[in-house]
Amino acid sequence: DQQVKQNSPSLSVQEGRISILNCDYTNSMFDYFLWYKKYPAEGPTFLISISSIKDKNEDGRFTVFLNKSAKHLSLHIVPSQPGDSAVYFCAATYFGNEKLTFGTGTRLTIIP
Amino acid sequence: KAGVTQTPRYLIKTRGQQVTLSCSPISGHRSVSWYQQTPGQGLQFLFEYFSETQRNKGNFPGRFSGRQFSNSRSEMNVSTLELGDSALYLCASSPDRANTEAFFGQGTRLTVV
Repeated sequence: DQQVKQNSPSLSVQEGRISILNCDYTNSMFDYFLWYKKYPAEGPTFLISISSIKDKNEDGRFTVFLNKSAKHLSLHIVPSQPGDSAVYFCAATYFGNEKLTFGTGTRLTIIP
Repeated sequence: KAGVTQTPRYLIKTRGQQVTLSCSPISGHRSVSWYQQTPGQGLQFLFEYFSETQRNKGNFPGRFSGRQFSNSRSEMNVSTLELGDSALYLCASSPDRANTEAFFGQGTRLTVV
């Protein structure tokens, strides 16, 4: 049972434009969400997170939006840069869970 | 400050063998989690240790086991290897909460032939 879903395995975006990565979840207990970025041959690195008490969190070029009623979150990257080409994982958890439930990832390719 | 160190980086084993992977967390971190990454499956949680105690366990068969030492270093063991165990095994360390402050190592790529 895939509790966190990233339905787009890949996404290509022109450099300078906005990249939007989507994530859906099914477990209503999830109250904290994270995005990780992964380059080949490296471990995932934390990008940005959001608590369920918020609907938006911004950090530089990265913004995460949370729609609790739709059980949907999205990561916006603007403007997109070539170094953003990587696989992006959405993850979810809740207090006391002590683990992260990951989606299957979206490979983002930024076209120069 | 050194990051999370996993050894070895690459490993090739034969079906039926057993394997031990090692993870050294960031200094001062007491929580170590293990994840398996396979194509199309994302990262699947294996188990998490905090102060030498297993605090949480994922849905993996008993062939997968782990432990944590008093210095917070952790090992995971897979016995009776199967072809389907081929994957990238990732270790993450956290100061305390395993689910909000996780820093990942580079992983160990295990290939079972």
